[in-house]
Amino acid sequence: SAVISQKPSRDICQRGTSLTIQCQVDSQVTMMFWYRQQPGQSLTLIATANQGSEATYESGFVIDKFPISRPNLTFSTLTVSNMSPEDSSIYLCSARSWGTEAFFGQGTRLTVV
Amino acid sequence: EDQVTQSPEALRLQEGESSSLNCSYTVSGLRGLFWYRQDPGKGPEFLFTLYSAGEEKEKERLKATLTKKESFLHITAPKPEDSATYLCAVGGSNDYKLSFGAGTTVTVRA
Repeated sequence: SAVISQKPSRDICQRGTSLTIQCQVDSQVTMMFWYRQQPGQSLTLIATANQGSEATYESGFVIDKFPISRPNLTFSTLTVSNMSPEDSSIYLCSARSWGTEAFFGQGTRLTVV
Repeated sequence: EDQVTQSPEALRLQEGESSSLNCSYTVSGLRGLFWYRQDPGKGPEFLFTLYSAGEEKEKERLKATLTKKESFLHITAPKPEDSATYLCAVGGSNDYKLSFGAGTTVTVRA
């Protein structure tokens, strides 16, 4: 099983600023994903982080708001840009290789004030 | 589009009172049905993967089963530490993405 380290674990940010969340996997994985989870709700996929190419975004999410990097097979970042209170949520990093289960980080709890 | 529906939304059990959670799914070419446990403030923790109808997996008080249209997570003689939200997800043949259900929040009272 893969171990995923995600940081920061929580942050309180001013509206209009940006926050970059880091995700480090302890082994090489094929795919990495970024999810958002509102309190008491399930996971919503933001995008798939592709190594060596642009991320693939789900409907309702755009690169200008959530730029993603994946420089290698074990690391990815998600930036939440120009934040507003509506961006307050838990952001989760996930990693998976074909034919295996997905593993998750512990999440980043973001509060925008 | 893959779809996953979990029921009930919430389940309150007395310690020792066995019950089952349901996960109904539609997917193009099932490549795995996954069960996760999520505790408050934490990321989902992997429990089981099921690949084909008739398959069963067990871990302590949990047992997962799979048919062509749904999966059940049976909790036998639950303890308070089994209290959590249980998430079901499916992987289809199209890509690596998993589609998640909304989850069932289980509360076990001592």
